[in-house]
Amino acid sequence: NAGVTQTPKFQVLKTGQSMTLQCAQDMNHNSMYWYRQDPGMGLRLIYYSASEGTTDKGEVPNGYNVSRLNKREFSLRLESAAPSQTSVYFCASSRGGGTGELFFGEGSRLTVL
Amino acid sequence: SQQGEEDPQALSIQEGENATMNCSYKTSINNLQWYRQNSGRGLVHLILIRSNEREKHSGRLRVTLDTSKKSSSLLITASRAADTASYFCATAPVGSSNTGKLIFGQGTTLQVKP
Repeated sequence: NAGVTQTPKFQVLKTGQSMTLQCAQDMNHNSMYWYRQDPGMGLRLIYYSASEGTTDKGEVPNGYNVSRLNKREFSLRLESAAPSQTSVYFCASSRGGGTGELFFGEGSRLTVL
Repeated sequence: SQQGEEDPQALSIQEGENATMNCSYKTSINNLQWYRQNSGRGLVHLILIRSNEREKHSGRLRVTLDTSKKSSSLLITASRAADTASYFCATAPVGSSNTGKLIFGQGTTLQVKP
């Protein structure tokens, strides 16, 4: 059972380039989330999808877009990367319908030069 | 804005000692959760305590919740070197039941020396 899988694990971009972080879960979870983790800031929610077909902004959505492709997959896109988006990105999922446990991927480390 | 604030930011103890971490939050919650993160890895869920519960145990973990003070503590008893990690509290604010959103604190870094 793979759980939550994120790709790529590492990426270096130049300012202005675009990229998409991919996330897939195999637990038949309804809800999926994208967080970013910065030193001293904990985890901050970027976007979430409470159920298939819906997406909503979190705390820090500016500069990002998301797509809930199907129940399994939730992607995060940076259209024009900025150095401030250098961070570690985590995808997570939960059963939904309440506020239970989140299952996290291993993270994607992004550096924007 | 961050919901949870954790104290201390860093903690260093000897193997076999107990470790206590505290979390304070600002708004009413449905539940509070604790997660562990090993260096370079994703977060792993440890324990969940609901707003109507005061104490919960899981193995060597003991969590307390005081909703009147809006605070929680995580106690790890008889610590081991393998407990070295960062620990995060996360709150589920009232009104977030339909979304499952959690708000994370900044974390406590625990080092357990052999």
